[in-house]
Amino acid sequence: QVQLQESGPGLVKPSETLSLTCTVSDGSITNYFWNWIRQPPGKGLEWIGHIYHSGSTYYNPSLKSRVTISVDTTKNQISLRLNSATAADTAVYYCARAPYIAAWFDPWGQGTLVTVSS
Amino acid sequence: DIQMTQSPSTLSASVGDRVTITCRASQSISTYLNWYQQDPGKAPKLLIYSASSLQSGVPSRFSGSGSGTDFTLTISSLQPEDFSTYYCQQSYTTPQTFGQGTKVEVK
Repeated sequence: QVQLQESGPGLVKPSETLSLTCTVSDGSITNYFWNWIRQPPGKGLEWIGHIYHSGSTYYNPSLKSRVTISVDTTKNQISLRLNSATAADTAVYYCARAPYIAAWFDPWGQGTLVTVSS
Repeated sequence: DIQMTQSPSTLSASVGDRVTITCRASQSISTYLNWYQQDPGKAPKLLIYSASSLQSGVPSRFSGSGSGTDFTLTISSLQPEDFSTYYCQQSYTTPQTFGQGTKVEVK
């Protein structure tokens, strides 16, 4: 059964770049859409963007100018970079798989909390 | 963006109760509507996809219905492990958007 695990620094300074990796185990990256979703503490869920195994991406327009999602099929990893971080980017970041572009998210990683603070 | 509005925001219920949560989209999304359950400190878990399809392994007391703009998630007989927060999500168009969540709490 495929498993997703997010990793990366838990603390980022304001104006710096937030970088996270999602490692996919017991399954292939091929033929799926891989999504990043975040949840500020005590708040709801926000979709950040997705990438297909081919490298095709789509980003939420609200974050598009600051976000880059990439895939490394040799390592079975998906990466997220969010530039110019602010306190508003403090959130639990999840990666999740979708079987096609207009589909549900399943499974999800356990999530990782990133705090933006000096 | 398509706005998703859930009601109520909080629902107080007892074990054995029939519970219904509503999700309304700001425009028609056909049946591109999914439901998730999230426990504190955990990732969301898929319950229902495509408005009414039960995800494998999810108890049959959960059901979903609706199309267009109005959708419901029903728990036929609330169990202790069902006290949680529920989110709807539209996958009709990007950016995919979520409802604000409905917390089901003990009455």
